[in-house]
Amino acid sequence: RKEVEQDPGPFNVPEGATVAFNCTYSNSASQSFFWYRQDCRKEPKLLMSVYSSGNEDGRFTAQLNRASQYISLLIRDSKLSDSATYLCVVNTNAGKSTFGDGTTLTVKP
Amino acid sequence: DGGITQSPKYLFRKEGQNVTLSCEQNLNHDAMYWYRQDPGQGLRLIYYSQIVNDFQKGDIAEGYSVSREKKESFPLTVTSAQKNPTAFYLCASTPQRGPLNYGYTFGSGTRLTVV
Repeated sequence: RKEVEQDPGPFNVPEGATVAFNCTYSNSASQSFFWYRQDCRKEPKLLMSVYSSGNEDGRFTAQLNRASQYISLLIRDSKLSDSATYLCVVNTNAGKSTFGDGTTLTVKP
Repeated sequence: DGGITQSPKYLFRKEGQNVTLSCEQNLNHDAMYWYRQDPGQGLRLIYYSQIVNDFQKGDIAEGYSVSREKKESFPLTVTSAQKNPTAFYLCASTPQRGPLNYGYTFGSGTRLTVV
């Protein structure tokens, strides 16, 4: 079993839809969590941090569920420009990062 | 503007050849990292450095070497011992000696292909 698992998708949604991705992790000592966006053949770019209290940035909301060991990313009112691969990253307090394989989102007109 | 510059963008390597990928940052970040990404997969850590003149092996260090002679620079050499080097190589940095509180800043990557 992988340390960090994401549904690879692809998720194909129409413009305006709400879509949610989950990322599960196995190491209970994990301390910090992030979502990155990666466009095709480009580098990952930090989208947002994830906190237990939730983190909202415009149409994007990230949540952490420590009890069930997963993080989530919710995108409301999807835009064509949201089409990308979304990577979750889980860090331990020893400074070790584990990346998920990514979830691909395609938003269609 | 501050950032991380990787060069070249594309690199072709012949069998048995060593090649060096450049990574320079002007963010004044302490820690720098090299990751490898294969199609459809997550990033895997090759090497990292938390301070000048010191570096540590990551999960897949075999066939690679690095140096950290300056805070701004962290070049990666892909040696002939790396049997499957074709991949997308990403250099990253963090402000402190680890990614715990801050996310990574990535360079734009180098695509290495064996010909």
